[in-house]
Amino acid sequence: QITLKESGPTLVKPTQTLTLTCTFSGFSLSTSGVGVGWIRQPPGKALEWLALIYWDDDKRYSPSLKSRLTITKDTSKNQVVLTMTNMDPVDTATYYCAHVYGDPFDYWGQGTLVTVSS
Amino acid sequence: QSVLTQPPSVSAAPGQKVTISCSGSSSNIGNNYVSWYQQLPGTAPKLLIYDNNKRPSGIPDRFSGSKSGTSATLGITGLQTGDEADYYCGTWDSSLSARVFGGGTKLTVL
Repeated sequence: QITLKESGPTLVKPTQTLTLTCTFSGFSLSTSGVGVGWIRQPPGKALEWLALIYWDDDKRYSPSLKSRLTITKDTSKNQVVLTMTNMDPVDTATYYCAHVYGDPFDYWGQGTLVTVSS
Repeated sequence: QSVLTQPPSVSAAPGQKVTISCSGSSSNIGNNYVSWYQQLPGTAPKLLIYDNNKRPSGIPDRFSGSKSGTSATLGITGLQTGDEADYYCGTWDSSLSARVFGGGTKLTVL
């Protein structure tokens, strides 16, 4: 079955760079049509899409955060990495990675809470 | 301010039916598939409906989706207390070249 799990720091300081890793199983990111996305959710607020990478290395970013985000994949390790630069307290959120095939985010990781504070 | 507009909250009694609306525009709902997600308290979102009206395996037929023009609707019949959750609609926005979500709707089963 498909599973995804996010990992990374729980606490980062303002201006630092956040690096999150999504480790997955049950599918391959070299399969046509498959992608992995990142979505975040500030405490008590709505979901916000961040980035998406596809099997062919096509990358899409949220227009409002594009300058701060980089998404990469390591197909051999079954991992997708998201980096976000210049972190700010407003970036405090639970960060999720999710599997995509076709259109919807059909499988989600459990999420990881990242707090930005000095 | 979300690109897709949902009511902040809806409520109904156990056994009743409820609908949740999601309003957008021609650049998103009007020309792209809509999906719906259920987020139970303290958990990750879960796909409920995709491609406007399809249910993934394991999702009961109490949940349904529809789309008309630039709006989509999630319907839930036979409400159960376990349906209390936040519900989000989502789609692609061709103008923004971005995935977008609604602001979420909190369902209370009275």
